[in-house]
Amino acid sequence: DVKVTQSSRYLVKRTGEKVFLECVQDMDHENMFWYRQDPGLGLRLIYFSYDVKMKEKGDIPEGYSVSREKKERFSLILESASTNQTSMYLCASSGQSNTEAFFGQGTRLTVV
Amino acid sequence: EDQVTQSPEALRLQEGESSSLNCSYTVSGLRGLFWYRQDPGKGPEFLFTLYSAGEEKEKERLKATLTKKESFLHITAPKPEDSATYLCAVLNQAGTALIFGKGTTLSVSS
Repeated sequence: DVKVTQSSRYLVKRTGEKVFLECVQDMDHENMFWYRQDPGLGLRLIYFSYDVKMKEKGDIPEGYSVSREKKERFSLILESASTNQTSMYLCASSGQSNTEAFFGQGTRLTVV
Repeated sequence: EDQVTQSPEALRLQEGESSSLNCSYTVSGLRGLFWYRQDPGKGPEFLFTLYSAGEEKEKERLKATLTKKESFLHITAPKPEDSATYLCAVLNQAGTALIFGKGTTLSVSS
């Protein structure tokens, strides 16, 4: 079975903290993505990566960075968490031809 | 600009009452249209991919169809367990990432 695993289901962090969200996929997929999902705004693309050590900005990259040191792992970093980054974060992966993307279970991040 | 619009935002059905969800898109050279189901507090679950106008795919009570400008997700004789948010997405023009609509939240009551 296809699997994308996010390291935490729920996180509570303080304003100004550096936050790491981890995602691992076991499908040997080339492409990995980070989205955030907010009520009324839908899923918005933060960053994606099409290869190890490669990254591309999505629609809302401000305040975030990413790291992809290994093919199976894609990390999202909030350099200095702010309350407007409270959201559901979703990681996804897809194969080279960009057919269907498979999602993790999501991380509900609350910044207080 | 690549864009996906879903309607209605919310839909309430009685068990057994068939209906359709709409997804309209604007993207040059469609490379794929995707339907997902999302349960509250969980990640989206892949349902279908459609690539060309006239294509149809089915899974249990769900059937997805595609025209040149829109897709429909038909739900036949729904059950309460079909209650979820249904998301539609297309590959962007560059073919690098999915662009999502805001979803249709379906509630089916018995």
